[in-house]
Amino acid sequence: KAGVTQTPRYLIKTRGQQVTLSCSPISGHRSVSWYQQTPGQGLQFLFEYFSETQRNKGNFPGRFSGRQFSNSRSEMNVSTLELGDSALYLCASSATQGTHNEQFFGPGTRLTVL
Amino acid sequence: AQSVSQHNHHVILSEAASLELGCNYSYGGTVNLFWYVQYPGQHLQLLLKYFSGDPLVKGIKGFEAEFIKSKFSFNLRKPSVQWSDTAEYFCAVMEGRRALTFGSGTRLQVQP
Repeated sequence: KAGVTQTPRYLIKTRGQQVTLSCSPISGHRSVSWYQQTPGQGLQFLFEYFSETQRNKGNFPGRFSGRQFSNSRSEMNVSTLELGDSALYLCASSATQGTHNEQFFGPGTRLTVL
Repeated sequence: AQSVSQHNHHVILSEAASLELGCNYSYGGTVNLFWYVQYPGQHLQLLLKYFSGDPLVKGIKGFEAEFIKSKFSFNLRKPSVQWSDTAEYFCAVMEGRRALTFGSGTRLQVQP
């Protein structure tokens, strides 16, 4: 099976712009989670989608949003970018939602905000 | 809120040395436990996981971890490290249906 794919892999934006990142889960996986990885804060959970519904949400401002499509692909959007949004954004997929779930991670999208 | 502590931030070992990385979590209920590894330039990969049963779990590449419920710990071990084990290691905990909570990571450097 192909792994989790994320596009684009690298992105440079300026403050105030918005950005959309895409994630394609492993075929058959219905749950997609997003994480932000920074040197200072480590890996932090953004949100999880299952069957097109947001099931869990981390402690991030409303500028961070996401959605999931019927084919389980997911997008996350960050509006009004700030310098502190520079990070590696990771997507992870799992077969179902909930306990006993192994999450498979994609390579990430590295976002740089200038 | 759930928290995960990895006390070793940077570990330097020589090849063939034994490795133990500490992981402690704060939640007292039922949890699922994971160790992930991130090799330089690569994405996060699962090393091993604990859901229930035998508290000593074996993972890939000779790694193992022991779940000690009374100590809220899930330490990672390897008897003899190799240069190729140089990577960053993350402990993660999943409480119920919540998301993964990650520790801050331990950077392991193995010197040949």
